[in-house]
Amino acid sequence: EPEVTQTPSHQVTQMGQEVILRCVPISNHLYFYWYRQILGQKVEFLVSFYNNEISEKSEIFDDQFSVERPDGSNFTLKIRSTKLEDSAMYFCASSPSTGPQETQYFGPGTRLLVL
Amino acid sequence: AQSVTQPDIHITVSEGASLELRCNYSYGATPYLFWYVQSPGQGLQLLLKYFSGDTLVQGIKGFEAEFKRSQSSFNLRKPSVHWSDAAEYFCVVGAYNTDKLIFGTGTRLQVFP
Repeated sequence: EPEVTQTPSHQVTQMGQEVILRCVPISNHLYFYWYRQILGQKVEFLVSFYNNEISEKSEIFDDQFSVERPDGSNFTLKIRSTKLEDSAMYFCASSPSTGPQETQYFGPGTRLLVL
Repeated sequence: AQSVTQPDIHITVSEGASLELRCNYSYGATPYLFWYVQSPGQGLQLLLKYFSGDTLVQGIKGFEAEFKRSQSSFNLRKPSVHWSDAAEYFCVVGAYNTDKLIFGTGTRLQVFP
């Protein structure tokens, strides 16, 4: 069964450094998402992406964040200058189309620790 | 605004016992409701979903959930729990005018043999 994959599974970085989290969505899916979960808190929506454009973003997704689909398979989340509060589990998801009835398929997550 | 509450942070049951995980939502219209499960090292896997129609929804792994509009609830049930069901369970709400899913805080299920 096809699945969403994410790399790395864990990343440790110094405050102020740039990080890129990578995701490979399910191959025939067209819509892509990033969520995050700070330890002890709820999973929160960051951004959705379709046709090489951001279709929706939350207030968390400020100028420090960017997303890109650099090729036909990868979907990346970049944090330009990491802060301590960016430490979280980051989940990538994809779906074949949009709408609340569509299932979003999630990857296993990347645990980011900012020191 | 939509919100989801899972009142139980942690539940422990014996293998073979029945299970009910509680979920209450807040949404102005008919919500789109999901239950996801996360096992250690795994992604979030969809167990079941409800949009309309029959209020009792069957999912994978023997789970079911019942939508009760009068109680704003969408509780997850399983008649007999297996040790492999130990995981974290998330109740999730979607809405027609947004891509984002809104998650509850999750309920961690522990199963004793």
